[in-house]
Amino acid sequence: QQPVQSPQAMILREGEDAVINCSSSKALYSVHWYRQKHGEAPVFLMILLKGGEQKGHDKISASFNEKKQQSSLYLTASQLSYSGTYFCGTEIGIQGAQKLVFGQGTRLTINP
Amino acid sequence: NAGVTQTPKFQVLKTGQSMTLQCAQDMNHNSMYWYRQDPGMGLRLIYYSASEGTTDKGEVPNGYNVSRLNKREFSLRLESAAPSQTSVYFCASRKRWDRAYYWDQPQHFGDGTRLSIL
Repeated sequence: QQPVQSPQAMILREGEDAVINCSSSKALYSVHWYRQKHGEAPVFLMILLKGGEQKGHDKISASFNEKKQQSSLYLTASQLSYSGTYFCGTEIGIQGAQKLVFGQGTRLTINP
Repeated sequence: NAGVTQTPKFQVLKTGQSMTLQCAQDMNHNSMYWYRQDPGMGLRLIYYSASEGTTDKGEVPNGYNVSRLNKREFSLRLESAAPSQTSVYFCASRKRWDRAYYWDQPQHFGDGTRLSIL
């Protein structure tokens, strides 16, 4: 049931854009995105809900394709601080079931 | 607020020893979770508790047991530790689900417990 993320890793220069994808073989109720710096706990970025309005902040946004059970995270004009590992977490089926399963992560490196 | 507190932060065990990892949250959250993180494997769900009094298996429950002691505390026990259980363990919590405020219901993670089993 673990969602699949792509790419597994990417290296960009500061100011470039990045797209990270997350797909599931199951019907999704919600998709969560988190970022983790090395040696630290994951930090919440945003939630996308089936049938709900997208929420994002700063230059980070995301989309949720309900038909394809896919989500994409968009990082615009990347900054050095965007480096880290990004995880998508998915909830399947039942509203409020609260079972959140994460993908294997995408390691993003932003160079000056 | 402390948020989610995990103890201990580091631990080294010998194969066959038992241990309990402790987790407590002070945010009055309903749901609590245990994940393990291994290189290249992401965060894998071990057990979760959607509400006080309930616990359910996640993706990798074998070799572990959990106890939801009360609304604040959720412990993870290794009865007979094995080298394959060497990992970083994260506890997380989340408030009661409310669709009207779905964007404001993230999981909050503790700082993790780094466990090595020799």
